[in-house]
Amino acid sequence: QVQLQESGPGLVKPSETLSLTCAVSGYSISSGYYWGWIRQPPGKGLEWIGSIYHSGSTYYNPSLKSRVTISVDTSKNQFSLKLSSVTAADTAVYYCARQRWEPPDSPLNFDYWGQGTLVTVSS
Amino acid sequence: SYVLTQPPSVSVAPGQTARITCGGNNIGSKSVHWYQQKPGQAPVLVVYDDSDRPSGIPERFSGSNSGNTATLTISRVEAGDEADYYCQVWDSSSDHPNVVFGGGTKLTVL
Repeated sequence: QVQLQESGPGLVKPSETLSLTCAVSGYSISSGYYWGWIRQPPGKGLEWIGSIYHSGSTYYNPSLKSRVTISVDTSKNQFSLKLSSVTAADTAVYYCARQRWEPPDSPLNFDYWGQGTLVTVSS
Repeated sequence: SYVLTQPPSVSVAPGQTARITCGGNNIGSKSVHWYQQKPGQAPVLVVYDDSDRPSGIPERFSGSNSGNTATLTISRVEAGDEADYYCQVWDSSSDHPNVVFGGGTKLTVL
């Protein structure tokens, strides 16, 4: 059974960098699939942040692209998110998820999700 | 950028059929995926590629997609179906391909 688990600080100060890691078990990241980050501000809808393939190829939400870096560590079977210059608007539950794809290079739906982790931006 | 439009809320009595729409420009040319999210939980995929169901999802959940509207249909609605539902596509039509989610629809079972 594929399982994903987010980890990282629950509180980040404004202007600092938010860093989260998603540990994957039950499936090797190197075997394929895209791996994505999605967030949900309290009481609001889902917002895609970005996705990465095991080779390191990435897609980012254009509205966040200047502040986002997603990386993958196949040796640890995990992938990570860094979001710089955070403000209160970045307060949200952050989810990691596995994303199916089809050739030549079209990410599709998210089939397995982590439980989510709340990150609050506050001084 | 590509926009997906969902009604904020849909209400239905138990045993009836709920239809949740997802509007987008020529969405019929894209693969649409649907997620169910209950309070305090992560989203769960209920329909992918317009009309396919993942293992473990009841046959009561079905989907269709044509023209400018995709629809998630929940037959014989149960109290446990009360949740937020989100549609999602991959938009490769712009210079910056990206995942797009609809704004979500709250399904209330009366």
